[in-house]
Parts: sequence; C-alpha cells; structure tokens
Amino acid sequence: ETGVTQSPTHLIKTRGQQVTLRCSSQSGHNTVSWYQQALGQGPQFIFQYYREEENGRGNFPPRFSGLQFPNYSSELNVNALELDDSALYLCASSFGHAGAQYFGPGTRLLVL
Amino acid sequence: DAKTTQPNSMESNEEEPVHLPCNHSTISGTDYIHWYRQLPSQGPEYVIHGLTSNVNNRMASLAIAEDRKSSTLILHRATLRDAAVYYCILTFFGNEKLTFGTGTRLTIIP
Repeated sequence: ETGVTQSPTHLIKTRGQQVTLRCSSQSGHNTVSWYQQALGQGPQFIFQYYREEENGRGNFPPRFSGLQFPNYSSELNVNALELDDSALYLCASSFGHAGAQYFGPGTRLLVL
Repeated sequence: DAKTTQPNSMESNEEEPVHLPCNHSTISGTDYIHWYRQLPSQGPEYVIHGLTSNVNNRMASLAIAEDRKSSTLILHRATLRDAAVYYCILTFFGNEKLTFGTGTRLTIIP
C-alpha cells in the first residue's frame, strides 16, 4: 500500500510568482486536505476536497486554490506569492471526509 | 470550534508509560477526540481517535473521562521514536478539518 506522496519536496520562488504543489493520495482514499505549517507552529487548514468537490475551506485568501482529479490526486495552487507564504505545505488523504487523515512528508516552499 | 488545552511540554523515561492529558471542557456530544503526533521534520501522523468509549490500537490507548471534558493519550512503553509534538484535536461530523493547537512536546529520556 502506497502512502501519501507530495512533489516537489522543496521549492524556491520569488514574490509575485505562482506555484503548483502536487499530492497523490493513499490507495483507496477519496478525500484530500491541505494544510500550511509555518516554522514553529501547528498546521493550519487550507481546504479539503471530497470526490473532486471543495468540502470546506479555512481562513485563506482566494489566491490559494485547489483541484482534485478523478484518481483523487490533488493540486494546490498559490498565485501572487507573498513572503509570508513561506512554509511547509502538507497534504493529507482520508477515506471519506470524516476519516483519519494520513499525511504526506510535505513540500517546503521558500518565497524570496 | 471547541478548544483543547494541553501542557506545552512533558518528559518521560524510555521504556516507561506516558500519560498525555488534554482538556476540552466545551466539547459537545458529537465531537470526536483525535490525537496526532508530529516527529521532527515529518508530516503529522494519526495516532488514535474516539467518541465516548476508551479506545486501543497498536500505537496507543485513549482514555476518555466519563463527562468527556478531558482525555488522556497513553503510550504504554515509550521509546526514543515517540519523541514528538502530540496534538489533541476535536472534530465533528460536517466539519472534519483538523485544527491544530500548539500541542505537547514530548521528550523521551534514555
């Protein structure tokens, strides 16, 4: 059974650019949630996708957007990058939107 | 959202049991109690969850107070690999996002 994978592992962008992060969910899971974790803090919920539909969103601006594909993999897109977007971005998959969430290793984004 | 309160840090000796407390005095009847942990430089890891009854799995046990206003995560025999930040989180049906607080940083002493 393959766990949750994320790509890339690290990324450096400059302010104003756009970035796309990718997540492959664990086999059998149909729900993907995205979190942002700033250094020294707990993860913050960005949004969740359940069967290709957005199913809840945290307190993040519209320039954070996402997508879930028919195979339940997912993308997180961030437009107009700001310095404060520098963080670890975590993807978690689950079976059903109420199931235990299994996290990937994250993508570390640095915005200069 | 109902909030949880955990000690900032705890220490325990290797090979001894560890009891990690969590207070959630405003919990509602439909809130589930979840525990996740995050090892250094890794994503969070699901540990256990429950609603009213005590729960056991291969990683840990969850003891829930009768009034559900507190719970305790029990690691039966701590190893160095258990050193992590442990998060106690409440969710309810229809709002299953995980709201992470600051958690408890557990240090295991060899």
